[in-house]
Amino acid sequence: GENVEQHPSTLSVQEGDSAVIKCTYSDSASNYFPWYKQELGKRPQLIIDIRSNVGEKKDQRIAVTLNKTAKHFSLHITETQPEDSAVYFCAARSVLNDYKLSFGAGTTVTVRA
Amino acid sequence: NAGVTQTPKFQVLKTGQSMTLQCAQDMNHEYMSWYRQDPGMGLRLIHYSVGAGITDQGEVPNGYNVSRSTTEDFPLRLLSAAPSQTSVYFCASEQAGVDTQYFGPGTRLTVL
Repeated sequence: GENVEQHPSTLSVQEGDSAVIKCTYSDSASNYFPWYKQELGKRPQLIIDIRSNVGEKKDQRIAVTLNKTAKHFSLHITETQPEDSAVYFCAARSVLNDYKLSFGAGTTVTVRA
Repeated sequence: NAGVTQTPKFQVLKTGQSMTLQCAQDMNHEYMSWYRQDPGMGLRLIHYSVGAGITDQGEVPNGYNVSRSTTEDFPLRLLSAAPSQTSVYFCASEQAGVDTQYFGPGTRLTVL
């Protein structure tokens, strides 16, 4: 099945700087890549997603890039703010496994004021 | 819409006890799933359903049963609780063909 690896496991950035989280996947048939944000004690919430027919997608300070050849995708957060502090999860879904999402282990992001 | 709801929020069990975690959604979503979340391991799929009467196993199904008699409800049963099942459990739902999964608030389970 699909295997998703996520790096780094923890990330500390100064407020205003950028944060980048990278994920790699194993199944070349994967075509959907969402990113979830989970604040302490809360449920995961979708923040952005990308499909395999698109190389980059932006939403205000958040962007995701996808490299299908290398089988990796990344989350970029610019101008980080304290409220960006959370755990971020990447995930991947394969066309061969129509419903199942495989998640990375998560990245704990801390934004220092 | 209440979205995805889960009960209880917290539960403490003794080893060997059984219980059912409840999950309901009012969005008429076809897909529903159960995940467990453990530190450093992300979200792992336990069981999922693509519609009423249809269920299948995920990555970590042992020790858990599910059923889907209605579109709205997807309960998760622990048959004989073990300390290894101490975790936070999330239910999620998704409209077929849309991809976005919506998560419930979670149930924190401790097995002593």
